[in-house]
Amino acid sequence: AQSVSQHNHHVILSEAASLELGCNYSYGGTVNLFWYVQYPGQHLQLLLKYFSGDPLVKGIKGFEAEFIKSKFSFNLRKPSVQWSDTAEYFCAATQSGGYQKVTFGIGTKLQVIP
Amino acid sequence: GAVVSQHPSWVICKSGTSVKIECRSLDFQATTMFWYRQFPKQSLMLMATSNEGSKATYEQGVEKDKFLINHASLTLSTLTVTSAHPEDSSFYICSARDPLSGSTNEQFFGPGTRLTVL
Repeated sequence: AQSVSQHNHHVILSEAASLELGCNYSYGGTVNLFWYVQYPGQHLQLLLKYFSGDPLVKGIKGFEAEFIKSKFSFNLRKPSVQWSDTAEYFCAATQSGGYQKVTFGIGTKLQVIP
Repeated sequence: GAVVSQHPSWVICKSGTSVKIECRSLDFQATTMFWYRQFPKQSLMLMATSNEGSKATYEQGVEKDKFLINHASLTLSTLTVTSAHPEDSSFYICSARDPLSGSTNEQFFGPGTRLTVL
């Protein structure tokens, strides 16, 4: 079955620390990968997405993610987090092509301490 | 980016009553919308795929007679929770694809509706 797993459920960091959130997927074939963010009291927003090409994807607010096909991974990174990055982060995947169902990971709650 | 709205943002109802939640795509036409349910400390679980002008496709384990979905126009899908019970209390989120976004499968999410059944 297709699945997305996120290893860190709750991460606490101090401001300026570096962030890496793990995401692994189990999909055959070509995949589309996403990271979404949900700030407190707000709806899900797209941070970045990967479809093809350069495996290092840059998103909004200084976030980036690297697609490593051999590891079935799509980890999210940010070199220096800010208090405003406190949010829940969801990794998601879908088979590419046409209208495909999206599978979400369980989410990682990030808390940044000033 | 494309905007999706939901109404109401929260609703409290008595057990046994029905509740309707609306999902609208504001600046694009969505032939396909999705309904998710999010439990506390859990991920979004896809409930059903709503297709304009045809029947919704429900995920395994989702009761189609309990969660009625209607996608009557290209900008509106509704989810009706019939005979709601306390265990139906949850956060319901809809999303939509913008057909003009190509094959990216990117979804645009509504703000969600918090349902509390007393």
